[in-house]
Amino acid sequence: AQSVTQLGSHVSVSEGALVLLRCNYSSSVPPYLFWYVQYPNQGLQLLLKYTTGATLVKGINGFEAEFKKSETSFHLTKPSAHMSDAAEYFCAVSDSWGKLQFGAGTQVVVTP
Amino acid sequence: GAVVSQHPSRVICKSGTSVKIECRSLDFQATTMFWYRQFPKKSLMLMATSNEGSKATYEQGVEKDKFLINHASLTLSTLTVTSAHPEDSSFYICSARGERSSTDTQYFGPGTRLTVL
Repeated sequence: AQSVTQLGSHVSVSEGALVLLRCNYSSSVPPYLFWYVQYPNQGLQLLLKYTTGATLVKGINGFEAEFKKSETSFHLTKPSAHMSDAAEYFCAVSDSWGKLQFGAGTQVVVTP
Repeated sequence: GAVVSQHPSRVICKSGTSVKIECRSLDFQATTMFWYRQFPKKSLMLMATSNEGSKATYEQGVEKDKFLINHASLTLSTLTVTSAHPEDSSFYICSARGERSSTDTQYFGPGTRLTVL
């Protein structure tokens, strides 16, 4: 069975500062990992995903994530936060049937 | 990326009535669609998986007679909340996945806010 743990339900960052959102997973098979962003009252938008190959994955809006098998982690980073990055972020792992298991989410607040 | 729409975006209904929510893949054929429920400030909970032309597979604890799912075509799935009650009020989100692989990206709709009075 798959599971995802997101450390920190709320993260506050200053505009221009590094954004780091932590995600650890548990999977009995090689995982497919995803980061999604959700703006208020909207659906989810895919930021990036890891399936196979290069462990450093680049996504949209300047985000990237690194798959570390030894640490069972898939942390999301962005070098410089922008006000528009304020949103809820979800890490997810997919099972072999393609069903997504989501983490609890991390609310990002960006302060001027 | 691919576009998935949901209709309506918001619905308010009286207790005891039924509500239908549509999920459409606009620019690709979705062999599989998923329905999620999201409570305020919570994560998404998978309710069911629907494959075109077959019965939906419901997650444990989800009442299949209450949440009727139909996936009649490769671009449309519907979720009908039957005999809705206030505790069914929630944000319902669908996602759709193409044909190529079970681990292909799911594309999410914008969600439907259901309020049952």
